[in-house]
Amino acid sequence: ETGVTQSPTHLIKTRGQQVTLRCSSQSGHNTVSWYQQALGQGPQFIFQYYREEENGRGNFPPRFSGLQFPNYSSELNVNALELDDSALYLCASSLGGALTNEKLFFGSGTQLSVL
Amino acid sequence: DQQVKQNSPSLSVQEGRISILNCDYTNSMFDYFLWYKKYPAEGPTFLISISSIKDKNEDGRFTVFLNKSAKHLSLHIVPSQPGDSAVYFCAPSSGSARQLTFGSGTQLTVLP
Repeated sequence: ETGVTQSPTHLIKTRGQQVTLRCSSQSGHNTVSWYQQALGQGPQFIFQYYREEENGRGNFPPRFSGLQFPNYSSELNVNALELDDSALYLCASSLGGALTNEKLFFGSGTQLSVL
Repeated sequence: DQQVKQNSPSLSVQEGRISILNCDYTNSMFDYFLWYKKYPAEGPTFLISISSIKDKNEDGRFTVFLNKSAKHLSLHIVPSQPGDSAVYFCAPSSGSARQLTFGSGTQLTVLP
């Protein structure tokens, strides 16, 4: 069974740039959620994708966008980076639809630094 | 507005003793409550959960208690082991996406 993998592990960008983070789901999972964890805080829900459609969104601006692919892998895109976007970005996979399960399996995250 | 509060940023206990981690919430729509633990440089891993229709769930050394009227839950670890040293997050679930709302976490240190 393959776990959730994220790439890259670390990334440094400058303010105003755009970034794409990638995530491969755990085998058999059809739902991907993205969370942002700022230093000293708990993870915050960004959005969720189920069967390539956005299935829920937290309180994040439209410059945060995502994609889910037919193989259930996913991307998180952030445009016009701001200093406050510096955080650990966590991807989590789970079962959705008729088998919806709250139990999420997290990757190790991508540490994004915006200078 | 913090919907989930873990008021103790850190907790130290001796090996073999009980660890009690607390969590308070304000949102009545939460209907499922999960605890995650996180080691440095790793993602959070699921530990134990409880449905809002129960008041206790036990799994080995870990027990979660839910007091709905007080909007309070706690995680008991007994006996505590040095390998339990990690950050513990309380994370209730809600909404059609079953998204988790995490508390700010409690750093547990179990001293040998």
